Amino acid sequence: TQLLEQSPQFLSIQEGENLTVYCNSSSVFSSLQWYRQEPGEGPVLLVTVVTGGEVKKLKRLTFQFGDARKDSSLHITAAQTGDTGLYLCAGRGAAGNKLTFGGGTRVLVKP
Amino acid sequence: EAGVAQSPRYKIIEKRQSVAFWCNPISGHATLYWYQQILGQGPKLLIQFQNNGVVDDSQLPKDRFSAERLKGVDSTLKIQPAKLEDSAVYLCASSLWTGTGNQPQHFGDGTRLSIL
Repeated sequence: TQLLEQSPQFLSIQEGENLTVYCNSSSVFSSLQWYRQEPGEGPVLLVTVVTGGEVKKLKRLTFQFGDARKDSSLHITAAQTGDTGLYLCAGRGAAGNKLTFGGGTRVLVKP
Repeated sequence: EAGVAQSPRYKIIEKRQSVAFWCNPISGHATLYWYQQILGQGPKLLIQFQNNGVVDDSQLPKDRFSAERLKGVDSTLKIQPAKLEDSAVYLCASSLWTGTGNQPQHFGDGTRLSIL
């Protein structure tokens, strides 16, 4: 069973600050996805990273896939209250289509 | 494009009762997933369908959970009998199938199940 551990579990910051969320595993993933989930809603895909060492930027969000494809990070610059939510990483193994989700990081951005 | 539709949004039942959830995926999406998300945790895959066939049900507690997708479109997930530990949000997701496995999954808003 492939496990993904996210840290920290909870993060509370002031608007305008930066934050980084980590996603780690002992397993290699063929790709990794980041989702954001708001209360009462399903997760929404933010990005998919496929290549080891890959860096993708989505406005103020920067996603990095580790060289060995075992870990990933999400960095938010100048956080806004709209960034509040549960951030989930999900890895896909080499065998096929199954996504394994991490436990999530709950981010609270205070005004 | 209409999203993934799920119903009901909320359900409260007593333990040992039965319950069913319904999901209508995005039109044209061949792959359908049911996830269980316990409070404070990430979603856990229960079952994956490709059209009307089961691809993966390794984490489905088959003694009490069942799911079907008879015509390869909408799907139902049933729990019978329910236990206290089944309290969770049940998410349905769908995706296109290209064989590479990197298609994004589109999630519904889930059914929140509370067992008394």
